[in-house]
Amino acid sequence: GQSLEQPSEVTAVEGAIVQINCTYQTSGFYGLSWYQQHDGGAPTFLSYNALDGLEETGRFSSFLSRSDSYGYLLLQELQMKDSASYFCAVREPRGANNLFFGTGTRLTVIP
Amino acid sequence: GAGVSQSPSNKVTEKGKDVELRCDPISGHTALYWYRQRLGQGLEFLIYFQGNSAPDKSGLPSDRFSAERTGESVSTLTIQRTQQEDSAVYLCASRPGQGDYGYTFGSGTRLTVV
Repeated sequence: GQSLEQPSEVTAVEGAIVQINCTYQTSGFYGLSWYQQHDGGAPTFLSYNALDGLEETGRFSSFLSRSDSYGYLLLQELQMKDSASYFCAVREPRGANNLFFGTGTRLTVIP
Repeated sequence: GAGVSQSPSNKVTEKGKDVELRCDPISGHTALYWYRQRLGQGLEFLIYFQGNSAPDKSGLPSDRFSAERTGESVSTLTIQRTQQEDSAVYLCASRPGQGDYGYTFGSGTRLTVV
């Protein structure tokens, strides 16, 4: 089976940097994805890591360590609009074709 | 279309009634997924369509749930004899083909069973 662990809530100050961690247990691993979801909105794809290391996309970066079954999403220069829920997700083992999502981290950015 | 379109955006139904939810994926996207999201929870996989292959129904919670898709176009999710526990947001996503990332989600249908 799959399991993903994320903190349920994080609060950070506008302009700061925040890191959202995700640890996973899977019977097979095919990459870690991150999605952002604003209240009442659709989840939107942020990033994907298949290999160890850091992937950077503007203010957002995502990191993966396969040996530690761990990844994180790093948000820099936080803006109020970054307040949202952030989900990490892994693909189900080969033979299945869906993403398995964590329960999400609610990020609140305060002035 | 430019994005994944779902209808209706909101649906209130009486317990025991059947409901049908619709998803229009992005044109050319061969893969289509249905997920359920209860309030404050993560996304729960329901069903997956890939082209003309047999759908992966492994996430459907009961035989009251079914879904269809014609080719690579519209999909409908049907819930029969709705129960209050079915109240949730039902999200549809599509992507171009095989791959582990880049799902495009619709805004969902918020279903409330009263």
